[in-house]
Amino acid sequence: EAGVTQFPSHSVIEKGQTVTLRCDPISGHDNLYWYRRVMGKEIKFLLHFVKESKQDESGMPNNRFLAERTGGTYSTLKVQPAELEDSGVYFCASSQEWGNTEAFFGQGTRLTVV
Amino acid sequence: AQKVTQAQTEISVVEKEDVTLDCVYETRDTTYYLFWYKQPPSGELVFLIRRNSFDEQNEISGRYSWNFQKSTSSFNFTITASQVVDSAVYFCALRVTQGGSEKLVFGKGTKLTVNP
Repeated sequence: EAGVTQFPSHSVIEKGQTVTLRCDPISGHDNLYWYRRVMGKEIKFLLHFVKESKQDESGMPNNRFLAERTGGTYSTLKVQPAELEDSGVYFCASSQEWGNTEAFFGQGTRLTVV
Repeated sequence: AQKVTQAQTEISVVEKEDVTLDCVYETRDTTYYLFWYKQPPSGELVFLIRRNSFDEQNEISGRYSWNFQKSTSSFNFTITASQVVDSAVYFCALRVTQGGSEKLVFGKGTKLTVNP
């Protein structure tokens, strides 16, 4: 069974440009999460989807970030326009059921804004 | 507050040494889950263990063991006879639920280097 897959693995963009990150969760997992780790700091929650609905987006830093999950399958996270402080590793995770199950993480996308 | 503290930023040991990674948590919930994840150099976060707050029994899985103590709000992780392949960043996390959503609150991670 395929795990959580994220594309691209690395992205280097200039300040002001737009970048779109993609996450393919494990098949059948209704819950999808985005997290971010800025250099040297904690991994922080961004948002939680249940199927195509945003259950909690309290961790989204500002309105330059837009997450979507059309059809309840894969998800995208767009940053527009990117700023230097957006640099970090963006993780996606999925879980089958809300509650007791552990979340399975992807390998992350390392975003560098220069 | 819902918080996880991993006071050890980096640890370096020689192969075959035992090493303990500390994790202290704060939560207002009476029922909660704690987790440990491993991040090897390849980058992905690998699930290691989930522990329910009702279950205070220590757990052992091969060379890995976990000591959960509610009295001190700690969930420490010990690697026995460490190996070079154990080199990674290890994260402790607390599951937080609110209003139908759930998320993990992570510590800053402990970077473990096992030298041959």
